[in-house]
Amino acid sequence: LAKTTQPISMDSYEGQEVNITCSHNNIATNDYITWYQQFPSQGPRFIIQGYKTKVTNEVASLFIPADRKSSTLSLPRVSLSDTAVYYCLVGDEDDMRFGAGTRLTVKP
Amino acid sequence: DAGVTQSPTHLIKTRGQQVTLRCSPISGHKSVSWYQQVLGQGPQFIFQYYEKEERGRGNFPDRFSARQFPNYSSELNVNALLLGDSALYLCASSFWDRGREQYFGPGTRLTVT
Repeated sequence: LAKTTQPISMDSYEGQEVNITCSHNNIATNDYITWYQQFPSQGPRFIIQGYKTKVTNEVASLFIPADRKSSTLSLPRVSLSDTAVYYCLVGDEDDMRFGAGTRLTVKP
Repeated sequence: DAGVTQSPTHLIKTRGQQVTLRCSPISGHKSVSWYQQVLGQGPQFIFQYYEKEERGRGNFPDRFSARQFPNYSSELNVNALLLGDSALYLCASSFWDRGREQYFGPGTRLTVT
C-alpha cells in the first residue's frame, strides 16, 4: 500500500492559484491518485482522480509526472470558500486510505 | 438527484451499548463503504460492500459489523461501545468499486459517554 505525504498546512490569498503536492514514492502499477476536499463536520467531497499525465475538470487540475511518485493538485483562483482540508489518496480499487490531509487556509 | 443520506445525524450512547447506523447510497450506486473519522484525523476505512458482498475490511475489531441490503442501502453495527468509538461515521457510495469516485454522506456523529 502506497503511503502518501502531504504538507500539514498551507496558506494562500483570494484569487491566487494553489498547488498542493503529494508524495507517493511506493505507488503501484494499478494505483489511482484521488483528491478529496473536506469542510468541518461534513463528509469528504470528490475533487479529481487520475492515473497519469494531466487531468482537468471544472474544479481543479491534477498533474502526475511520468514516474508517478508524486502528484500536484492545482486549484485556480481560490476563494475564501476553498478553505478546507484536502486529502490525497493512492490505491487500487480494493484499497484506498486517507492520510492526515493538508489544511488550506485562504485569506482575504 | 439525492446524494448519500445517513441517519441519524447525531447519537449519544453509553459505554457497553449497541448502535446501528444507516446509509442510503446514490441511486444506481452499488458500492457502499463505511469510514470512522476521529476529530483532527482523516477518515479510517471500516468496511466496503459491493453488490451486497463484503469486499474489504479495515483494521477494526469484531465489535464492528455491517451489511448491505438488496436495495443497496447499508447498516453499520457497533457492539459493546467504548469511549474511543466516539467519532463521525461516514458512508460513501460509488458506482464503481471503492477505489473509484466515492460520494460521501454528511455522516453520523456518535458520542459515547
